[in-house]
Amino acid sequence: AQSVTQPDARVTVSEGASLQLRCKYSYSGTPYLFWYVQYPRQGLQLLLKYYSGDPVVQGVNGFEAEFSKSNSSFHLRKASVHWSDSAVYFCVLSARSNNRIFFGDGTQLVVKP
Amino acid sequence: NTKITQSPRYLILGRANKSLECEQHLGHNAMYWYKQSAEKPPELMFLYNLKQLIRNETVPSRFIPECPDSSKLLLHISAVDPEDSAVYFCASSPHGGLSNERLFFGHGTKLSVL
Repeated sequence: AQSVTQPDARVTVSEGASLQLRCKYSYSGTPYLFWYVQYPRQGLQLLLKYYSGDPVVQGVNGFEAEFSKSNSSFHLRKASVHWSDSAVYFCVLSARSNNRIFFGDGTQLVVKP
Repeated sequence: NTKITQSPRYLILGRANKSLECEQHLGHNAMYWYKQSAEKPPELMFLYNLKQLIRNETVPSRFIPECPDSSKLLLHISAVDPEDSAVYFCASSPHGGLSNERLFFGHGTKLSVL
């Protein structure tokens, strides 16, 4: 079965602190993986994507993510968060076998000043 | 994001009929309708590629999509139900919904059913 799990529904961090948002996936092969961000009252926007190669991928606004096949994970990181990073973050798997897309339930990030 | 425009932005309905509109200015082949209920991820409703409906998820028959050309997408809703209250996003991708494609989303239409 193909699925994405974001175990943390809500994460609260202080501005300037480091951040990790967790994502675990279930897929028999190597999937395409994405992180999208959704700011209030807006559509989703791509942060970064992983296709193959270097397991650490860089995204916009200082975000990066690391793919781990052994752990079936694709965690999102940022060294120092800003209040404007407050949003909902979705981890997304795209299955190479059937082109279907699976969204995690999202993690609400709250950055305290 | 003005590259995918959706109208109207907000919609409040009783049990009426209404259409949502989307237009993308990206030259993409694939267009999608997603439904996002409160505090949930988006759920795919329909996927068109080059004006052809290629994916039709389990959606009530009161939702009827239309793709008059590859840059425009409509969603006709008849006799809305309170469970239809959600934000409806239009999205597009370059080449027909391939697995390695990123999605580009519009700002959504928030439907509130009285």
